[in-house]
Amino acid sequence: DAGVIQSPRHEVTEMGQEVTLRCKPISGHDYLFWYRQTMMRGLELLIYFNNNVPIDDSGMPEDRFSAKMPNASFSTLKIQPSEPRDSAVYFCASSPTLGGNTEAFFGQGTRLTVV
Amino acid sequence: QQQVKQSPQSLIVQKGGISIINCAYENTAFDYFPWYQQFPGKGPALLIAIRPDVSEKKEGRFTISFNKSAKQFSLHIMDSQPGDSATYFCAARITSSNYKLTFGKGTLLTVNP
Repeated sequence: DAGVIQSPRHEVTEMGQEVTLRCKPISGHDYLFWYRQTMMRGLELLIYFNNNVPIDDSGMPEDRFSAKMPNASFSTLKIQPSEPRDSAVYFCASSPTLGGNTEAFFGQGTRLTVV
Repeated sequence: QQQVKQSPQSLIVQKGGISIINCAYENTAFDYFPWYQQFPGKGPALLIAIRPDVSEKKEGRFTISFNKSAKQFSLHIMDSQPGDSATYFCAARITSSNYKLTFGKGTLLTVNP
């Protein structure tokens, strides 16, 4: 398996524009997570899905952020309108359903810069 | 509220030395404690993990020490190598409730040759 695939790897956009980040989880994984990483706040969980259903979106910072998972192999994180403070690295991760210790596999991230 | 506190923020070690990174948690319901390693431009990757029913777990040069009463756990890297230079994150989770990992803020480790 190729692992968790995110696109694009880098995104530069102007303030006010819509940004869509994409993620393809590892096949067979039931859980999908979106994280945001900044120097100030570290890794923050934004939202996670189980079997394509959003379970916990308490980390989504504002209504400008939305996430969808239309099927088991694809998820999007959308920011509309984007702001400079949204600049960060956004990671998608997926996990299988297992008893005991469950590992989260991370993608390589999308570095978003809002100017 | 930061539920997992990690220190130090950065660490410089000489090749062959021991690197020690510490984490403390507040929520006694946490029952799974992984460490992730992140290289520049890459996503975090699981390095080693422990459950609170054991006090130590060792995998190669990497050891987790766990102190349940103090609510602390640490990562020890023996014989540190330049290739170990990366950012290390501790994390914690309540496995019975959900799969949500709470991360520490990370430690940037530099191993000098």
